[in-house]
Amino acid sequence: EVQLVESGGGLVKPGGSLRLSCAASGFTVTYAWMNWVRQAPGKGLEWVGRIKSDTDGGTAGYAAPVKGRFTISRDDSKNTAYLQMDSLKIEDTAVYYCGGANYWGQGTLVTVSS
Amino acid sequence: QAVVTQEPSLTVSPGGTVTLTCGSSTGTVTTGLYPCWFQQKAGQALRTLIYDTTNRHSWTPARFSGSLLGGKAALTLSGAQPEDEAEYYCLLSQSGVRVFGGGTKLTVL
Repeated sequence: EVQLVESGGGLVKPGGSLRLSCAASGFTVTYAWMNWVRQAPGKGLEWVGRIKSDTDGGTAGYAAPVKGRFTISRDDSKNTAYLQMDSLKIEDTAVYYCGGANYWGQGTLVTVSS
Repeated sequence: QAVVTQEPSLTVSPGGTVTLTCGSSTGTVTTGLYPCWFQQKAGQALRTLIYDTTNRHSWTPARFSGSLLGGKAALTLSGAQPEDEAEYYCLLSQSGVRVFGGGTKLTVL
């Protein structure tokens, strides 16, 4: 059974950092394009970024609002993808979801507030 | 960055047919934008319904189908069920980034 479990969310001050994890089971993250999307309270979905599979080059791409502040990576030994979030802003407050192989996790809440 | 447009809301009768569309500010939506459709219900995980324009996932009911229609991506629901009431989002891939539409709230009534 495929499962994705996000963790690492919480309350952080503006300018702070947080690292989200996305532990996968039932498939290998090495061979999947792993995506992160977010949803601010009461709003629609926003694509954050993705890392390509190893076979497709393994490079990451980001949406304009997070480019230069967020970094997506992958640890194949742990079958886990990560979203490193730096220089956080109030407008980054959202539930963050990871997805891979067309499956999605339940999300983790990130609140940026002073 | 392109703007992706969807109908904000639609209503369909039980057993009826409805088509949701997904347009791009950059022009015609083609298979090269790899349109995907997602379903979101309150309190439930996001579900991929359609990927790469027309491909259903293993859990996607056959009453959902994806296509290109009039320069847009389209999601057609034939034989709507009460459990299909949800928010539906499309996603397009453009120039290495992906962009969601604003979502369509579908009411089955």
